[in-house]
Amino acid sequence: QVQLQESGPGLVKPSQSLSLTCSVSGVSISSSAYQWSWIRQDPGKGLEWIGNIYYTGTTYYNPSLGGRVTLSLDTSKNQFSLRLTSVTAADTAVYFCARDSRLFNAWFDSWGEGTLVTVSS
Amino acid sequence: EVVLTQSPGTLFLSPGERATLSCRASQRINNNYLAWYQHKPGQAPRLLFYDASKRAAGIPDRFSGSGSGTEFTLTIDRLEPEDFALYYCQQYGRSPRTFGQGTKVDVK
Repeated sequence: QVQLQESGPGLVKPSQSLSLTCSVSGVSISSSAYQWSWIRQDPGKGLEWIGNIYYTGTTYYNPSLGGRVTLSLDTSKNQFSLRLTSVTAADTAVYFCARDSRLFNAWFDSWGEGTLVTVSS
Repeated sequence: EVVLTQSPGTLFLSPGERATLSCRASQRINNNYLAWYQHKPGQAPRLLFYDASKRAAGIPDRFSGSGSGTEFTLTIDRLEPEDFALYYCQQYGRSPRTFGQGTKVDVK
């Protein structure tokens, strides 16, 4: 059974960087069959796909984040990570990691429970 | 990007009733690349349907998905207590993948 678990600081100061990690169990993130995504839920704007990463390190990002996003992975720990720079209050959200069901035109077939990140001084 | 509009925002129903949730796309969704998710607070979202009408593993058959083009529907027959939750649609036909704003099914 695939399980994903987000972890990281719950409070980040404005203009600083937000860093989260997703720990995956039940499947190797080195599998060539899947990509791995980050999604966030802003109470005012709903769900927003942030980006995804393949085991080769290839990444795709949502243009709406304006180049502030970097995804990376650590195959030895079966984890992948999100870094969002220059955060503002608008980045306050619940952040989810999820598995893409396939390489292209994919839905999300497994999700973590999410972690709340608040941007505040 | 493709904008998904879900309606209604909240649906107030009683157990045993039928819920009909709508998801309308701003552009035609090729190949009916549309998914539905159920989300309860503090839990991981749960995949219900993909390709508009293909039921995910373990989803009861009181749930059904339908539609094509720009109009999609999630129907829940005979609501059970555990079905009261937030429901999202999501398109994966065009990048970036986008979600609707959600419909909450609440107890009347």
